[in-house]
Amino acid sequence: QPQLQESGPGLVRPSETLSLTCAVSGGSISSSNYYWGWIRQPPGKGLEWIANINYRGTTGYNPSLKSRVIISVDTSKNQFSLKLTSVTAADTAVYYCMRWSNSGGWGGDYWGQGSLVTVSS
Amino acid sequence: QTVVTQEPSLTVSPGGTVTLTCASSTGAVTSDYYPNWFQQKPGQAPRPLIFSISSKYSWTPARFSGSLLGGKAALTLSSVQPGDEAEYYCLLYHSGAWVFGGGTKLTVL
Repeated sequence: QPQLQESGPGLVRPSETLSLTCAVSGGSISSSNYYWGWIRQPPGKGLEWIANINYRGTTGYNPSLKSRVIISVDTSKNQFSLKLTSVTAADTAVYYCMRWSNSGGWGGDYWGQGSLVTVSS
Repeated sequence: QTVVTQEPSLTVSPGGTVTLTCASSTGAVTSDYYPNWFQQKPGQAPRPLIFSISSKYSWTPARFSGSLLGGKAALTLSSVQPGDEAEYYCLLYHSGAWVFGGGTKLTVL
């Protein structure tokens, strides 16, 4: 079974860019049956979908975040990444990476443990 | 943008049955919305339970079932156990975007 592990700075200054990487092990990122995505959860609040990408680079973005988000994939390293620009305190959250698989319908079946990112000066 | 609505909280007795629902502001939920359900306990990542309305993962307990009910996606828990106390989130796909519901806090009391 695949394992996903987020990595990146835990503290980002306001107005700067948040960067996270998700390393995928136990399976290839290069399959047409999968998309790879980012979800976030502010402290004490609910889940919010950020963006998805497949190995070909086909993307989908949350309309409310689209202007500030870049998602990318590196098949040679079996990983994908998130950049969120011009961050504010409202972007403080646990960021999860996850896999979408199509087994007769799309499901978010494997998740990373999450990475807390705090936006503060 | 689509708004997905869940009951904020529900309470169920041990051994009982409870149904959580998930409604879309765009209209009746159908298979095209690929309804997903997740369980989250404090300090943990969400745990996938159901995808595509009613399909289960290998780790999903048989007591959990998904369906469409009255134009909404629904998650039914039978023979509820104290360990089922958690936040439950639904997730819908519409017009190229995935949207989570606000979550239902399930209390087993």
